[in-house]
Amino acid sequence: QLQLQESGPGLVKPSETLSLTCTVSGGSIWNSDYFWACLRQSPGQPPEWIGSIHHSDNTHYNPSLRSRVSMSVDTSKNQFSLKLTSVTAADTAVYFCATWDPSPGNKFDHWGRGTLVTVSS
Amino acid sequence: EIVLTQSPGTLSLSPGERATLSCRASQSVSSRYLAWYQQKPGQAPSLLIYAASSRATGIPDRFSGSGSGTDFTLTISRLEPEDFAVYYCQQFETSPLTFGGGTKVEIK
Repeated sequence: QLQLQESGPGLVKPSETLSLTCTVSGGSIWNSDYFWACLRQSPGQPPEWIGSIHHSDNTHYNPSLRSRVSMSVDTSKNQFSLKLTSVTAADTAVYFCATWDPSPGNKFDHWGRGTLVTVSS
Repeated sequence: EIVLTQSPGTLSLSPGERATLSCRASQSVSSRYLAWYQQKPGQAPSLLIYAASSRATGIPDRFSGSGSGTDFTLTISRLEPEDFAVYYCQQFETSPLTFGGGTKVEIK
């Protein structure tokens, strides 16, 4: 059973860079047709898709965040990562890792438990 | 950007009752690009339905999805105590991938 585990900083200062790492177990990032996704959710709000990456380095980012977001894959560690630059209080949220399975149908079918990231000085 | 509008915002029902949740898209969404999720407090969303009407692995048959184009529906035929939660629809038709605002199903 595929499992994802987020690790994040907990607290980030305004204007700094948020770094999130997602560790995959129960399957290989390399040997998969999945896209690996990052989402976030502020209190009382629906989830927001941040971006997705394939092990081939094919990436898709939310246009509203594209100028500040980058994602990468480390197949040797079975991990993928998110960097979000120039953070503000509006980036405070629970950040999730998930798998985007494109077939059959499209779905975010595995999720990590999420990690709270607070932006504050 | 495709905006998904869910209604009602809150549904107050008793166990055993039928729940009908609506998701309306601002432009047409292919059925294969529409999913539904359940979220309980303090947990990640969990996949219920994909491709508008296909149940995810392990999802009981009291959950069903239907619809096409701009109108989609999630139906829970008989509410069990564990079904009281927030439900989101979500589209993969175009970027950015977006979620609806959610419907909270609460105990009456």
